[in-house]
Amino acid sequence: DTEVTQTPKHLVMGMTNKKSLKCEQHMGHRAMYWYKQKAKKPPELMFVYSYEKLSINESVPSRFSPECPNSSLLNLHLHALQPEDSALYLCASSQAPGTGTNYGYTFGSGTRLTVV
Amino acid sequence: TQLLEQSPQFLSIQEGENLTVYCNSSSVFSSLQWYRQEPGEGPVLLVTVVTGGEVKKLKRLTFQFGDARKDSSLHITAAQPGDTGLYLCAGFFYNQGGKLIFGQGTELSVKP
Repeated sequence: DTEVTQTPKHLVMGMTNKKSLKCEQHMGHRAMYWYKQKAKKPPELMFVYSYEKLSINESVPSRFSPECPNSSLLNLHLHALQPEDSALYLCASSQAPGTGTNYGYTFGSGTRLTVV
Repeated sequence: TQLLEQSPQFLSIQEGENLTVYCNSSSVFSSLQWYRQEPGEGPVLLVTVVTGGEVKKLKRLTFQFGDARKDSSLHITAAQPGDTGLYLCAGFFYNQGGKLIFGQGTELSVKP
């Protein structure tokens, strides 16, 4: 299995809703990431998990809450979002830094989020 | 703050033409990766370059990493309509906990 699976593919939520994005990989990767991508822009790093521990938070607002329950799963919990948070949310995984090799990332297809 | 400058941002060419995309930074990368992204999909890794001066080829695509590991280029020979897409360079910064930071991207359109 060489894929990163993200669900749902599309999500529409109100500003008072609570929802979660899910990401799963079975490649044995020990680093997982959340990126946010607006239209016609590059992906922007949000969070990095290394060995199931949060290692980088790029000053993301607290209305985004990541969680890594185990080495295969990564969640992004959403609460009280704003319309400007509408974007494509991408999950990625890779060999963890420090393993001695710079491998590339495997990205999922993303969740297209619309906040209304 | 690391900044990767990618140029050009838009490129529209005819089938059969050659093109080069550039990626530059003032920072030294642990490695540099090139991705291609189709609309509605995640980026797909094309290549990773690690050693200064390294050159890698992938069919009609040639990737080069600068000697100082601060810049890279992607050259496509005899472009085809199937090459159309968003090309992203991304610098990996190992000494900052392992961050992959993307350049602005190059939107390539190859017309038949």
